[in-house]
Amino acid sequence: TQLLEQSPQFLSIQEGENLTVYCNSSSVFSSLQWYRQEPGEGPVLLVTVVTGGEVKKLKRLTFQFGDARKDSSLHITAAQPGDTGLYLCAGYSNTNAGKSTFGDGTTLTVKP
Amino acid sequence: DAGITQSPRHKVTETGTPVTLRCHQTENHRYMYWYRQDPGHGLRLIHYSYGVKDTDKGEVSDGYSVSRSKTEDFLLTLESATSSQTSVYFCAISDRTSPFFGSQETQYFGPGTRLLVL
Repeated sequence: TQLLEQSPQFLSIQEGENLTVYCNSSSVFSSLQWYRQEPGEGPVLLVTVVTGGEVKKLKRLTFQFGDARKDSSLHITAAQPGDTGLYLCAGYSNTNAGKSTFGDGTTLTVKP
Repeated sequence: DAGITQSPRHKVTETGTPVTLRCHQTENHRYMYWYRQDPGHGLRLIHYSYGVKDTDKGEVSDGYSVSRSKTEDFLLTLESATSSQTSVYFCAISDRTSPFFGSQETQYFGPGTRLLVL
């Protein structure tokens, strides 16, 4: 069974602060996705990382895939209240019968 | 946005009654999934489908069944609802074409169904 552990589980910060969310596993993934979910809605894809060591930037969000493709991080610079939500990582592997494994998520609250 | 809808969006039912949730897609994707989301557990896979009449169990399939008679529809049935099945249910579709090839998958989620079993 492939597991993804996210940390921290909850994070509450002030507007303008920086933060990092981690997604760790002992399994190797072919790719890893980050989703954001707002209350009352389904998760929405933010980014997919495929290559070990890959770094992708989406405005103030920076995503990194570990060299061994077992872990990933999401860094937000100068957080804004609009960043508030549940952040989920999901790992995909061909060895898992075409199913993605989801972490339990990090609930981020950014206070004005 | 991916064309994926769920119905009903909210439902209240009593213990012991059967409940069917519907997921409908307009993207013609092969893979479809049902998840439940509960506090502290993230998204847990219930069942998934890799084609018409082709389904398989996920990690929390007990008490649930699924059917897929058409590409666009994936039904989730709670055979005899229990209070432990109170949850938010999400359907997802995937752009994957094969479980054996390709290095990535993007899942697109529906808006969810909030189910309360009394």
